[in-house]
Amino acid sequence: EDQVTQSPEALRLQEGESSSLNCSYTVSGLRGLFWYRQDPGKGPEFLFTLYSAGEEKEKERLKATLTKKESFLHITAPKPEDSATYLCAVQAKRWGGSEKLVFGKGTKLTVNP
Amino acid sequence: DTGVSQDPRHKITKRGQNVTFRCDPISEHNRLYWYRQTLGQGPEFLTYFQNEAQLEKSRLLSDRFSAERPKGSFSTLEIQRTEQGDSAMYLCASSFEGSGIYNEQFFGPGTRLTVL
Repeated sequence: EDQVTQSPEALRLQEGESSSLNCSYTVSGLRGLFWYRQDPGKGPEFLFTLYSAGEEKEKERLKATLTKKESFLHITAPKPEDSATYLCAVQAKRWGGSEKLVFGKGTKLTVNP
Repeated sequence: DTGVSQDPRHKITKRGQNVTFRCDPISEHNRLYWYRQTLGQGPEFLTYFQNEAQLEKSRLLSDRFSAERPKGSFSTLEIQRTEQGDSAMYLCASSFEGSGIYNEQFFGPGTRLTVL
């Protein structure tokens, strides 16, 4: 069964203090790994898709990387507006295709000014 | 705004009542998904449509749940005889499946269901 584990569950940073969030996954064959941002009471907002080990993508202060077993979301010099829950999800290769995303529980990030 | 929209945003109902939610996907998207999210958890897949065809359903989708996408545009999710355990955020997402191009799922704002 496909599984996604995110750590830490919660992270408090001071503004400007860089850190990384971890997403470990178990999947029979990876079709894609996704990062989303979710603000309280809202739907997830798409950030990145990674397809193969070694791939990296960047957007403003965020950089996502992928290995064969895990992904990292690096946050450089975060600002208070980066406070949110960050969700990781995987999509597996399936005979006949499966479009479902399997999500982790998320990491709640708080950035203090 | 051309994002995914959901209606209503909030629904409070009594146990045993039926409820129906609506999702309007991004206009050019041919795939539509339903997920459910409870507090402190990530979204869990329920079902998805390509055009009007329902192609995949989760074990979570009990016989009290039914989803439709009659014309390949908007979709409805109905829950019959609601139970307190159905209280959750119901999320809709859409994507475009084009030849050789993989496209991401974009989520709507969700419908928050509270069953009393």
